[in-house]
Amino acid sequence: GAVVSQHPSWVICKSGTSVKIECRSLDFQATTMFWYRQFPKQSLMLMATSNEGSKATYEQGVEKDKFLINHASLTLSTLTVTSAHPEDSSFYICSASITGAPTDTQYFGPGTRLTVL
Amino acid sequence: QKEVEQNSGPLSVPEGAIASLNCTYSDRGSQSFFWYRQYSGKSPELIMSIYSNGDKEDGRFTAQLNKASQYVSLLIRDSQPSDSATYLCAVAHSGGYQKVTFGTGTKLQVIP
Repeated sequence: GAVVSQHPSWVICKSGTSVKIECRSLDFQATTMFWYRQFPKQSLMLMATSNEGSKATYEQGVEKDKFLINHASLTLSTLTVTSAHPEDSSFYICSASITGAPTDTQYFGPGTRLTVL
Repeated sequence: QKEVEQNSGPLSVPEGAIASLNCTYSDRGSQSFFWYRQYSGKSPELIMSIYSNGDKEDGRFTAQLNKASQYVSLLIRDSQPSDSATYLCAVAHSGGYQKVTFGTGTKLQVIP
């Protein structure tokens, strides 16, 4: 149980284009999903907290107009990197918490590796 | 500032030995504690969670929590080369769906 999927697993795009990453909870409902970014040899950096049916909460320093998050259902959150640039190349990972569960356990998706040329 | 601190390592142990990974946290209000394993190029995988003081065992893994000392550890018995990974300590500050703060991770190398 508690499986989270991401699509695509990797993507290469040209500078200036937009890329959408999907995060799905496959066997549970997730009121809250989280988006992280991880650069090589660095730790996870929380970008934003996504709540179903409401606006995402962005961490300090993360541009909300560049990283658009939509959490339209209890099983799907999307992250769109708009006007991507090479410095946006990174490993993007989502996680989800089980709705109604008494703990804060987060289950991670497999990640999406973005390369911007 | 809510912080979670870990020694970055690498921690090298011989195969079959016990690996001990440590983590300290600054927020006394923290309620939930997690250990994740992350292989290179992969996303984190939950190993264990612990919520009350003492030890919690699951197979070869034992998590230890001491809230008074603000300290949580992970012991890996009979370490295997496949345990070589980065281990992330994570702390949640209250119940519900508050965000979790991750440490920077300790890299473990199990030498055959």
